[in-house]
Amino acid sequence: DADVTQTPRNRITKTGKRIMLECSQTKGHDRMYWYRQDPGLGLRLIYYSFDVKDINKGEISDGYSVSRQAQAKFSLSLESAIPNQTALYFCATSGVAGEGSGPDTQYFGPGTRLTVL
Amino acid sequence: GENVEQHPSTLSVQEGDSAVIKCTYSDSASNYFPWYKQELGKRPQLIIDIRSNVGEKKDQRIAVTLNKTAKHFSLHITETQPEDSAVYFCAASRRINKFYFGSGTKLNVKP
Repeated sequence: DADVTQTPRNRITKTGKRIMLECSQTKGHDRMYWYRQDPGLGLRLIYYSFDVKDINKGEISDGYSVSRQAQAKFSLSLESAIPNQTALYFCATSGVAGEGSGPDTQYFGPGTRLTVL
Repeated sequence: GENVEQHPSTLSVQEGDSAVIKCTYSDSASNYFPWYKQELGKRPQLIIDIRSNVGEKKDQRIAVTLNKTAKHFSLHITETQPEDSAVYFCAASRRINKFYFGSGTKLNVKP
């Protein structure tokens, strides 16, 4: 869905480096999420935000931090990257009642493939 | 928290056959169950969803069934085609819009 964008799309970095992944959306949604995808493990929630002043930890938040700079922007940071953070990262948004297929539908960005050497 | 289990992890069918993927969930308060299709190198995309007040929903060749008592729901694809080959994820959510995903099923439709 072109309405949810992520930058960069691919990144290779070294252990100990600070990395920021950015997500922007033009869907007007209040709710934004960061997920991590590893082979055989599905999508695991890192952080989520229901509005600009709301930040919540997901199931695997250790080693990550986030910033909700505006309704349309949600950034994920790895303060000191380590090899087991190598994964595919997805940003997602969701709207409110009456929109799309229903109030809880999530729309995903294209993903960022991160490799930590 | 919620625990969603998905089976099988891989499924291979002949073109034209049906495919069934099953998920179970643990939180009886979950009330929204979407299914996503992820093609290789692409983002997950919603293909069908069901809410807890409905037992079955169909959209052309795709259907989802929900058994609230047993806490399981299934995706049914009929007359499979090669373009159905992808990884499929189930998920469960409560009204607070926090989603829990299954581990995925890789479906291979052989021509």
